[in-house]
Amino acid sequence: DIQMTQSPSSVSASVGDRVTITCRASQGISSWLAWYQQKPGNAPKLLIHTASNLQSGVPSRFSGSGSGTHFTLTISSLQPEDFATYYCQQAHSFPITFGQGTRLEIK
Amino acid sequence: QVQLVESGGGVVQPGRSLRLSCAASGFSFSSHSMHWVRQAPGKGLEWVAVMPYDGSNKYYADSVKGRFTISRDTATDTLFLEMNSLRTEDTAVYYCAREWNVAAAIDAFDIWGQGTLVTIS
Repeated sequence: DIQMTQSPSSVSASVGDRVTITCRASQGISSWLAWYQQKPGNAPKLLIHTASNLQSGVPSRFSGSGSGTHFTLTISSLQPEDFATYYCQQAHSFPITFGQGTRLEIK
Repeated sequence: QVQLVESGGGVVQPGRSLRLSCAASGFSFSSHSMHWVRQAPGKGLEWVAVMPYDGSNKYYADSVKGRFTISRDTATDTLFLEMNSLRTEDTAVYYCAREWNVAAAIDAFDIWGQGTLVTIS
């Protein structure tokens, strides 16, 4: 199975900050990586697919990059509604696996 | 409106069975692979099973293989998860989710249901 490791596990930041979350795969997955945002009590929301493609309706302050085993999600200027938990997911092979999550908290 | 609505969750004793349903609407159900993903209380996301768009090879997480069965009814656009020999560690919110890419073998999930809580106790 492909292991997905996110870092950091949690981060504190302020409105307007730039934040980067990293996801590493235990083996190469090309660009088959997605990022999700989840708020308490809600289902996850797809932000980015295929490593860098912004899902329709997602603000342009979100961006993704990387390929192979190293990927990043960047939020260019944090907004109050961005404080949530973020997950990466590999879509290269079964079983599909998720990172453990990164909790983004208000400083 | 594209929508997924899960039902069937509840409290059951260990060793018993439960069947979850996911009613799809607003899109071509048979053109998208469909998945079940679960989340234990306070924990992260765990993929459970996939129903390919063509109904071919289904895959399961090792943690549920041999106990859970994914199926669908294309006449009613409903996805199912039959869960047998339930364990306390199966306690979670169960989400059904749609792959965004039509006729893809595996990809990201763009539509999620609201989830249904399964408690094994």
